[in-house]
Amino acid sequence: DTAVSQTPKYLVTQMGNDKSIKCEQNLGHDTMYWYKQDSKKFLKIMFSYNNKELIINETVPNRFSPKSPDKAHLNLHINSLELGDSAVYFCASSHGGGVAEQFFGPGTRLTVL
Amino acid sequence: KQEVTQIPAALSVPEGENLVLNCSFTDSAIYNLQWFRQDPGKGLTSLLLIQSSQREQTSGRLNASLDKSSGRSTLYIAASQPGDSATYLCAVSGANSKLTFGKGITLSVRP
Repeated sequence: DTAVSQTPKYLVTQMGNDKSIKCEQNLGHDTMYWYKQDSKKFLKIMFSYNNKELIINETVPNRFSPKSPDKAHLNLHINSLELGDSAVYFCASSHGGGVAEQFFGPGTRLTVL
Repeated sequence: KQEVTQIPAALSVPEGENLVLNCSFTDSAIYNLQWFRQDPGKGLTSLLLIQSSQREQTSGRLNASLDKSSGRSTLYIAASQPGDSATYLCAVSGANSKLTFGKGITLSVRP
């Protein structure tokens, strides 16, 4: 009965590779998010989708491309991985935006060697 | 640009103590404020959500208050237990549902 799930939980890869992280929510929410938590534990939003439409795109390199095939899924594809991309990536979802509570997934720890 | 501050960064208290965690934010135009708990190596668990029109919310031993005009929120934990040891994050929701987080307060409750 997992609410927001992410795969994989851990991802170790070489610099220059391309990788994807998947997120799924079974809460019936229509808005999904990607956040990045850096080595200093600071959490910052990257993207937000509402009904498969991009509504937030913070200053994130073009190497990061989110894709939402449907309301329950939001995937994150990263091209040409760099050392600085090492972080924990969290997916979240909410019912609508603004006043809605956000629920977070368990995170994906990405390590770029 | 919204900024959220949580001070101190770390706190250690003996078991049984009542404690208050503080959060301040610079832009009072918020939709809501959420308190989260994060255990080491784990995801975020939502503790309490306060809408901008509300003053406080309670859940068990936790009570969160919001003073939007002064840009402050507090999380009150009653009768703290070792199991409360974790990092507590405050986040405010603004335009486009964007959550802006503080850096968190790492709480250690000593048995």
